Amino acid sequence: AAGVIQSPRHLIKEKRETATLKCYPIPRHDTVYWYQQGPGQDPQFLISFYEKMQSDKGSIPDRFSAQQFSDYHSELNMSSLELGDSALYFCASSLVGTSAEQYFGPGTRLTVT
Amino acid sequence: SQQGEEDPQALSIQEGENATMNCSYKTSINNLQWYRQNSGRGLVHLILIRSNEREKHSGRLRVTLDTSKKSSSLLITASRAADTASYFCATQKGGSEKLVFGKGTKLTVNP
Repeated sequence: AAGVIQSPRHLIKEKRETATLKCYPIPRHDTVYWYQQGPGQDPQFLISFYEKMQSDKGSIPDRFSAQQFSDYHSELNMSSLELGDSALYFCASSLVGTSAEQYFGPGTRLTVT
Repeated sequence: SQQGEEDPQALSIQEGENATMNCSYKTSINNLQWYRQNSGRGLVHLILIRSNEREKHSGRLRVTLDTSKKSSSLLITASRAADTASYFCATQKGGSEKLVFGKGTKLTVNP
């Protein structure tokens, strides 16, 4: 069965650079969630989209922005990167009405040097 | 953690033994879910229990939920080396689809 696809899987950036993470949800899933997991930490919710509209917002820095496109894929844009942004970034998808279960992608490991 | 704590933080057992992990949370919830994460990899959904349920089984997994104590436990019976992973509980509450995760228990099953 198709799963959530995230790209790239690994990304190395320098401080103050920008990064774009992409997420392709499971076919027919209309809701996308982004989570950040720092080293040794639990995942923290950043933001979610349903039908291209932001549906919920968590502890996402102002330096980050995200959007969902007409084909339901989503991109997380991160600017002015800081060392503390180094983390695993997960995307998850679900189908509206069944949001209780979210399907996670493999994650993008971002390293900021 | 915004949600609460899991205990123990780390657990080491022998193959064939049972493993029990506990999770506490702070607010009223719609459901509680357990996820598994192999080292540095994606999160795999294991089981979901709704707030009006007290116990649920799935294969070798047994989950209990005590809403009066705001706590849940995950029991893995007859553990295998392949069960070695970190286990997180996550909750959803009314009006929000976001998952709020606990800090996780790192389980090591020794062959």
